[in-house]
Amino acid sequence: GAGVSQSPSNKVTEKGKDVELRCDPISGHTALYWYRQRLGQGLEFLIYFQGNSAPDKSGLPSDRFSAERTGESVSTLTIQRTQQEDSAVYLCASSLAPARTNYGYTFGSGTRLTVV
Amino acid sequence: SQQGEEDPQALSIQEGENATMNCSYKTSINNLQWYRQNSGRGLVHLILIRSNEREKHSGRLRVTLDTSKKSSSLLITASRAADTASYFCATDGGTSGSRLTFGEGTQLTVNP
Repeated sequence: GAGVSQSPSNKVTEKGKDVELRCDPISGHTALYWYRQRLGQGLEFLIYFQGNSAPDKSGLPSDRFSAERTGESVSTLTIQRTQQEDSAVYLCASSLAPARTNYGYTFGSGTRLTVV
Repeated sequence: SQQGEEDPQALSIQEGENATMNCSYKTSINNLQWYRQNSGRGLVHLILIRSNEREKHSGRLRVTLDTSKKSSSLLITASRAADTASYFCATDGGTSGSRLTFGEGTQLTVNP
């Protein structure tokens, strides 16, 4: 597609429920990233996918968080047993290649998650 | 910890004035990038400067990079109310870098 698409745009969930967030990157972009942004703060790295390589999961805050990507297409971020501290905007970005190769990211509009 | 740190955290100016935001980082880089964010949603890529470049221009934007001081600045000239947004710098972590690390951002307000 023309841009990075994320769904849902907004999600309100009850504490303890599981949620699944979706990201559809730009076609041909081999790199896909998930970040979390709490209100008024910077972006916190969560996970990175590059082609068919093993993902870099070093930013996932707990084992309640997991993510998958099918080949070089759609990715889903799953948060199990949500907690109030999980409330944030979850941003997905894709890129033609890893950051060191001098390509910028294209971001989606994010999913605003509110855990009540 | 954040690789990039922006300064100031907030900046308020009048339309027509120039806005300067600074970014410091800690490790080696291949490139440094600046992004803009409106209303807490998706970021938009503004400009990328490579580690062997010292200055780059794009329209009303001017970015400088000083690798000896590990710092960069973003200058927006002749600012407009529509420039009101948060601005983030991001660094790639050098030759082994695979992802960008973002700073906390500068909130710019341009008053009409």
